Amino acid sequence: AQKVTQAQTEISVVEKEDVTLDCVYETRDTTYYLFWYKQPPSGELVFLIRRNSFDEQNEISGRYSWNFQKSTSSFNFTITASQVVDSAVYFCALSGSNFGNEKLTFGTGTRLTIIP
Amino acid sequence: DAGVTQSPTHLIKTRGQQVTLRCSPKSGHDTVSWYQQALGQGPQFIFQYYEEEERQRGNFPDRFSGHQFPNYSSELNVNALLLGDSALYLCASSLRAYNSPLHFGNGTRLTVT
Repeated sequence: AQKVTQAQTEISVVEKEDVTLDCVYETRDTTYYLFWYKQPPSGELVFLIRRNSFDEQNEISGRYSWNFQKSTSSFNFTITASQVVDSAVYFCALSGSNFGNEKLTFGTGTRLTIIP
Repeated sequence: DAGVTQSPTHLIKTRGQQVTLRCSPKSGHDTVSWYQQALGQGPQFIFQYYEEEERQRGNFPDRFSGHQFPNYSSELNVNALLLGDSALYLCASSLRAYNSPLHFGNGTRLTVT
């Protein structure tokens, strides 16, 4: 069975601070995909990133960066110089499917509040 | 380019009733997935439809059923509603291909009283 754990239920930081959201996963699949999604109050899940299990390179996209470490089964997400618009619930997810877009297993989410 | 659209936005039903939720996928997408998100929880996979057939299913009872139409739109039906079915129901679309991320709609908020 697959499992995703986001131990941080809620985080609050002051604007412009850096913040890291933790994600730990469990799977027996040798090929799998990891995701981060953002859920603003509107409810729509917004895709942020997808990584496959064979690509452990860290990735940076603007103020966002992701640290994938297979050895610790972690896929952490860092926001640099946080902004109020970053306030949302963030979900980490895992898929072991062929195409990587089927049957995602989500964590329980981390509610991030950026204080102006 | 319209994204994933879901209707209705909100719905209130009584225990024991039946409900139908609708989803139109993003233009060009051929696969539709449904997720249930209880308050304060992450989304849980219900099932996925491709070529008008259910391809994968999560741990949901048979009360949850679906359909995909030739235009790729989809419906989620829930029979014999329980109070525990109250949740946000999210539809997601994608291509049945590698490297096609899921695009989610805004969801339908179902309240069962």
